[in-house]
Formats: sequence, C-alpha cells, structure tokens
Amino acid sequence: QAQLVQSGSELQKPGASVKVSCRASGFTFSNYGLDWVRQAPGQGLEWMGWMNTNTGTPTFAQGFTGRFVFSLDTSVSTAYLQINSLKPEDSAVYYCARGRGSDGFDIWGQGTMVTVSS
Amino acid sequence: QAVLTQPASLSASPGASASLTCTLRSGINVGPYRILWYQQKPGSPPQFLLSYKSDSDKQQGSGVPSRFSGSKDASANAGILLISGLQSEDEADYYCMIWHISAWVFGGGTKLTVL
Repeated sequence: QAQLVQSGSELQKPGASVKVSCRASGFTFSNYGLDWVRQAPGQGLEWMGWMNTNTGTPTFAQGFTGRFVFSLDTSVSTAYLQINSLKPEDSAVYYCARGRGSDGFDIWGQGTMVTVSS
Repeated sequence: QAVLTQPASLSASPGASASLTCTLRSGINVGPYRILWYQQKPGSPPQFLLSYKSDSDKQQGSGVPSRFSGSKDASANAGILLISGLQSEDEADYYCMIWHISAWVFGGGTKLTVL
C-alpha cells in the first residue's frame, strides 16, 4: 500500500543542521507533490511548503525561507527536509505528506520529532 | 486575525452529533473554497477525512465512515464538519484547511471530547 516513512527522532544543538528523510513506497513518486508540515509541541499544523517531484522545484511558505531546504533523490523515491542554523523554536514534529494539488494531502508520514537543545 | 478560526474545544455525548465549524476571516468568502478536514489523534499523524466545496463537489477520504460529512454555512461564512452517531474513537483534534493565496492554511484545530 502507498506509504511515506520518515527518519527517526533527532536531538541537535542550536546552530547545527538536521536532515529529515521521507521515503515513498507503493505509488509512483513523480505523480504527486510532496509537502512538509510542522507541528510544534501542543500546537496546530503549519504548512511549510512543497516539492514538485517532477521538476525538483521547491516552494516555501512564508516563514520558511532561508534556513529551510527541500531536496529529492528520485532514484530512491525519497524527499528531504534540511533545516540549517537550528533554533530552539524549531523543535517540533515534522511531517511529510503526499500532495494531490487542490485535493490536499491524503497520505502522511509518521512524523519526525526534532528537538533543538543545548 | 487568522484566516481560519476554529473553536478550541467541543464536547458531545456518545451517540449525539457534533458540528465543528471553520470560520473564514471577514473579507474571505467561503463560497469558492474547498474546505478540507483532517483528524489527528495523540501521537499520530493527521488523517484526511473529507473535502467539501459544494454538494456536487465533495470527496470522502478512503475508509472514512459516512457519518462524517461536510457542508458550508454561507451566512456564517464557515465550513462545517458534522459527525453523527459519535463514538469514543472520534475523540481527537480536528483541523480544517484551505488553499488561500497560493498557500495551504490550517485552522487552529478543535479538540473534540466525547463524554
């Protein structure tokens, strides 16, 4: 069945970088967008942006430009989220989700908890 | 003011119906928007429930029971998620979402308690 599997929890120090992976299986990777969503502890969902898996073009939501990088390795149907110059306020669960254009997201990864603490 | 506003919490009894609202900010007319709804239980990712634009343009998530339905209240400028025949397993956080000015926007979420 179609699924997205994310990499495990990360504990990083302020100023470091982290790279979260999201591996797709059970569907044709290039037929869908790949979106990223953040959820801070006890908070709601926040859309970070998406990756066009056909062209490799990233689109970032407001507030997620500069330190955030989306990338792909289509040979292994995997998307990546890298966050540079980590701040304590980046501590959150990060989800990848399969995008269906105007139909939103139908499949979500299990989430990756990133903790930024000295 | 947020683009989408949801009540923070709602309580209802088993077997009853619960109406969860998602109000669009003044100046943003709900009419043209597709409202998507997600359910999230503690420790789990969100799950797609349904989308609703009109009675002729709506979609139920795979495996989502028909007791979950969507609608709009134009007079309140809101999208509505109606859950009928509430069950204990429906206790969760519910988020609405729209595509607005080239971005996905989530509501703040409603915590539904079934007691």
